[in-house]
Amino acid sequence: DSGVTQTPKHLITATGQRVTLRCSPRSGDLSVYWYQQSLDQGLQFLIQYYNGEERAKGNILERFSAQQFPDLHSELNLSSLELGDSALYFCASSVDQRSTGELFFGEGSRLTVL
Amino acid sequence: AQTVTQSQPEMSVQEAETVTLSCTYDTSENNYYLFWYKQPPSRQMILVIRQEAYKQQNATENRFSVNFQKAAKSFSLKISDSQLGDTAMYFCAFMKLGGSQGNLIFGKGTKLSVKP
Repeated sequence: DSGVTQTPKHLITATGQRVTLRCSPRSGDLSVYWYQQSLDQGLQFLIQYYNGEERAKGNILERFSAQQFPDLHSELNLSSLELGDSALYFCASSVDQRSTGELFFGEGSRLTVL
Repeated sequence: AQTVTQSQPEMSVQEAETVTLSCTYDTSENNYYLFWYKQPPSRQMILVIRQEAYKQQNATENRFSVNFQKAAKSFSLKISDSQLGDTAMYFCAFMKLGGSQGNLIFGKGTKLSVKP
């Protein structure tokens, strides 16, 4: 158990809908990262938050947004969903980005868009 | 931009044998970390081993060791005495240090099957 909690574990929805994925980092970790894993694109970095502030952005679509709350949990919002958004979405956390460089991953949220 | 390449989509090994997974990367950075992550069927990403670029000594974690060749930008993973539980996807990853970019860049992965 990595200590990173993601909900929901599975989610099925329809095209055009909006979903929210939630992540609770390990106790004491200030950085949260979101990754998308799909068959064709592999594992891709989406976005990073550190202590409530956006720190880095990767290949995140404009239809997607995220935030980190004062209690350090994070949410990834996916809107106007398309079939191609079906993927496994991982959250990871670390104490900060300059410590050991190690990220701790949650078990992922499997999103299926029909 | 950094890239990570794993040239072996699939590999298999007999139980108790040794297997080596290949990884090459491209970067102009001098300070970075390299990782091997394991993703078993349970799908959670698990850190196997980590190498700091400034360290010449190859990292070792029990049955797992790496061959880090900085000049060649090569970072292979050797699994000794393979066990059935080693069956998983293995991802090589790069992380730049410094600045505000702390994200991991992953390779496409190698699917390893350990056969009894």
